Amino acid sequence: DAGVIQSPRHEVTEMGQEVTLRCKPISGHNSLFWYRQTMMRGLELLIYFNNNVPIDDSGMPEDRFSAKMPNASFSTLKIQPSEPRDSAVYFCASSFGQKETQYFGPGTRLLVL
Amino acid sequence: AQSVSQHNHHVILSEAASLELGCNYSYGGTVNLFWYVQYPGQHLQLLLKYFSGDPLVKGIKGFEAEFIKSKFSFNLRKPSVQWSDTAEYFCAVNVPNTDKLIFGTGTRLQVFP
Repeated sequence: DAGVIQSPRHEVTEMGQEVTLRCKPISGHNSLFWYRQTMMRGLELLIYFNNNVPIDDSGMPEDRFSAKMPNASFSTLKIQPSEPRDSAVYFCASSFGQKETQYFGPGTRLLVL
Repeated sequence: AQSVSQHNHHVILSEAASLELGCNYSYGGTVNLFWYVQYPGQHLQLLLKYFSGDPLVKGIKGFEAEFIKSKFSFNLRKPSVQWSDTAEYFCAVNVPNTDKLIFGTGTRLQVFP
C-alpha cells in the first residue's frame, strides 16, 4: 500500500496567490482529515470528510480556505487568496471506520511570501 | 470542550535513560487514546493506541503506555531510549461519536549518545 499521498511536498508562493493542496487517501478508507501544523498552534484539525461528505469544518480558519472531496480517492484544500500567516505544514490523514487509527501523509510544506 | 495536555514540552535525555511523557485529557466518558510520533522531517506515525481492555498498551519500538482512568492520564514510557528515538511525540484523544482526534501540543524528545 502506498499510504496517504500528498502533493506537492513543498510549495512557495506569493501573498495573494491561490494555493491548491492535494491528497489521495489510502484505498478503502472512508474518512479523510486535513490538519495544519505550526510551531505556535501545534496540530490543528481543519476539516474532515466521511464518505466524501464534509462532517466538521469548524477548524477552517476563514472563508479563504475551502476543501472538497469529489470522490473517495481524492481531496483538495484550497487557499485563496493566500497570506503569509498561512505558512505551515498541511497534513492529510485517512482512516477506515469511526474512531479508527488515522494514517498521515507526508505533508505539504507551504511558504507564503 | 475536550482537551489534551502534554506538560513536557521539551525533554533531553542520554541514551539508555528511561522515558516517561505525560498526557492528560479532559473528557470523563469512554475515550480512545493514541500516541503518535513524528521523526524529524517526517509525517506522524502511530506508536500505540488504547481502545479498551488491558490498560497497559504495548506499541512499536519498545514503547508502552498506561491508561489510568481515575487520573485521566495516558502516559508514554520506554525503559531505555535510543538516539533514534529523537522525535516529537503527540498524544491524542478521540472525540466520542465522531472521527475527530484532538492532539496535544507535542513533546519534543532529544536523545544524546
